Amino acid sequence: GQQLNQSPQSMFIQEGEDVSMNCTSSSIFNTWLWYKQDPGEGPVLLIALYKAGELTSNGRLTAQFGITRKDSFLNISASIPSDVGIYFCAGVTTSGTYKYIFGTGTRLKVLA
Amino acid sequence: DVKVTQSSRYLVKRTGEKVFLECVQDMDHENMFWYRQDPGLGLRLIYFSYDVKMKEKGDIPEGYSVSREKKERFSLILESASTNQTSMYLCASTPGALDDQPQHFGDGTRLSIL
Repeated sequence: GQQLNQSPQSMFIQEGEDVSMNCTSSSIFNTWLWYKQDPGEGPVLLIALYKAGELTSNGRLTAQFGITRKDSFLNISASIPSDVGIYFCAGVTTSGTYKYIFGTGTRLKVLA
Repeated sequence: DVKVTQSSRYLVKRTGEKVFLECVQDMDHENMFWYRQDPGLGLRLIYFSYDVKMKEKGDIPEGYSVSREKKERFSLILESASTNQTSMYLCASTPGALDDQPQHFGDGTRLSIL
């Protein structure tokens, strides 16, 4: 099955630093989603983007839907220890047998 | 808030056993999905369902089957469990048949096959 290219795979940062991660694809998507998964839990939706060029914030999180519809990024400002976890992007398309394509995740560790 | 409930958080079974993983959602969603999650491989779709008694294969259906007898419940069945099916299993749901709404996930079932 198709996967999105998500980078970086993992990152260690100091508390208070800003974080940036992105997803790219050769395919066009109608929607981009960003999820966070805490250890031992299921993914929880952070931000949904529905329009090319859209920039949406949720607290310290900001995500953008790339203008080409083939990429998206997520920024976390002023990271705190509870930001630790795995962040997934997902692209949603109306073509093909099924529509949700997931990135392989970015594992974030925040050092206090 | 949408609630997707998976019946077990942790499960240990033996090779060759028939294993049932249950998922229930409480928001009258049309679509339900089963994924498995493995390190470095991300989420891989096993099966999904767009309606009661309806199922479609995902990327990795081999060794699995599903059942959707009621709208709120989607069961994943390992017909004869094998050690390579040890994994984290995630259930998800979305509201409508043709929309692109975000999937809502359960907390997962961590399955170990010995």
